[in-house]
Parts: sequence; C-alpha cells; structure tokens
Amino acid sequence: AQSVTQLGSHVSVSEGALVLLRCNYSSSVPPYLFWYVQYPNQGLQLLLKYTTGATLVKGINGFEAEFKKSETSFHLTKPSAHMSDAAEYFCAVTLNTGFQKLVFGTGTRLLVSP
Amino acid sequence: SQTIHQWPATLVQPVGSPLSLECTVEGTSNPNLYWYRQAAGRGLQLLFYSVGIGQISSEVPQNLSASRPQDRQFILSSKKLLLSDSGFYLCAWSVPPSNQPQHFGDGTRLSIL
Repeated sequence: AQSVTQLGSHVSVSEGALVLLRCNYSSSVPPYLFWYVQYPNQGLQLLLKYTTGATLVKGINGFEAEFKKSETSFHLTKPSAHMSDAAEYFCAVTLNTGFQKLVFGTGTRLLVSP
Repeated sequence: SQTIHQWPATLVQPVGSPLSLECTVEGTSNPNLYWYRQAAGRGLQLLFYSVGIGQISSEVPQNLSASRPQDRQFILSSKKLLLSDSGFYLCAWSVPPSNQPQHFGDGTRLSIL
C-alpha cells in the first residue's frame, strides 16, 4: 500500500526566503503525486501534480516540485516566500491503476515572518 | 465550470443527536465523490467514497454513514453523534482517470458538546 511522509509539522521562513517542504512517498508502482494547500477553515486547493513526463512540475503561486524516483521524493519549493503563503500544505499519492484514492501526508504548516 | 458546495459551514451538535451534512457538485456528470475527516495533526482520513448513485464504499468502520441519492449529491449522516465525531469534514469530487486531481469543498466544522 502507498504512503506519504511529510517531514516537519511546522516550517518557519522569513519573507523572501526559500521555501522547502519535504515529501517522501512509498509505492510499489509508479505513483501520481499531488500537493495541496489549505488556508484556515477552507478546503484544499490543488497546487500542482505529477503524473508522467517532466519531473519538474510548476504550479500556481510560484511553487514547483521535483519528482525524484531514486529518492522517492516530491519536495515542494518556492524561491521567495510571501506572507500570503502562510498555510498548511499536504502531499498526496495515488496509484496509476484503478480507482483514484488519495493517501495524504499529515501536513506541514508554513509560517512566514516579516 | 465545476463547483462544489458543502453545508453547513459550521455546526454545533449535542452528543447523541443526529447528523446530516450535504455536498453537491455542479458542472460535471457521474463524478467520483468522497467524504474526508480532518483532525488536527493527522491529515485527511478518507471516510467514504462513491463511484455512482447508490454505490458507497466505507473506508473506516464507525457510526457514520453516507448516501448518494442523486448523481451529484453526497450526504454524510449519523443517527447518534459521539464526542469523537468532532472535526472538519470535507467533501471532494474527481473524474477518471486516476491522474486527475480531487477538488474539495470548503468543509464543515462540526463541534460536539
């Protein structure tokens, strides 16, 4: 069965600094990978996804993630943090066969200080 | 475009009372539908999913149930709420194939007193 590990329940950065949120997955077959963002008391919004093809995926709000099969990782990055990036971020995995059931990590709360 | 609506946004219920949360999707046909519960520090837990009218799969045994009376309507219910049912409930939809993302509603914050 697939699983997702997000290292660090909280990450703090200064405005303008690099954002790096870590995600490692476990899957016996090639996975589909997603990053979602959640603002307080709201649902989840898709940031980006990796299915096949280019391993560097660009998403909304200046975020990108790189699929590294050898490291089973899909870390999320943004070159320069903005105050509006403060939110909770979830990595999720599903298999590329059959019905889509997402398995989510426990989330990382990003704190951005001025 | 597709939209998803969840209501109510917040709900305070006494222990032992019934529950009905509703989710509707517009702008798509025969979507896959999902109910999740989110607890602090534990990510999202899939409760139920449905691939069609009347077809419900349960992921976690509990005192909740789900129904899909219409193609784009998904209802989460309970006959008697427990304190442990408190949480943030999210509805989501997707369409095949499995590389397509799930799209989430704004959630319902349920507090049990």
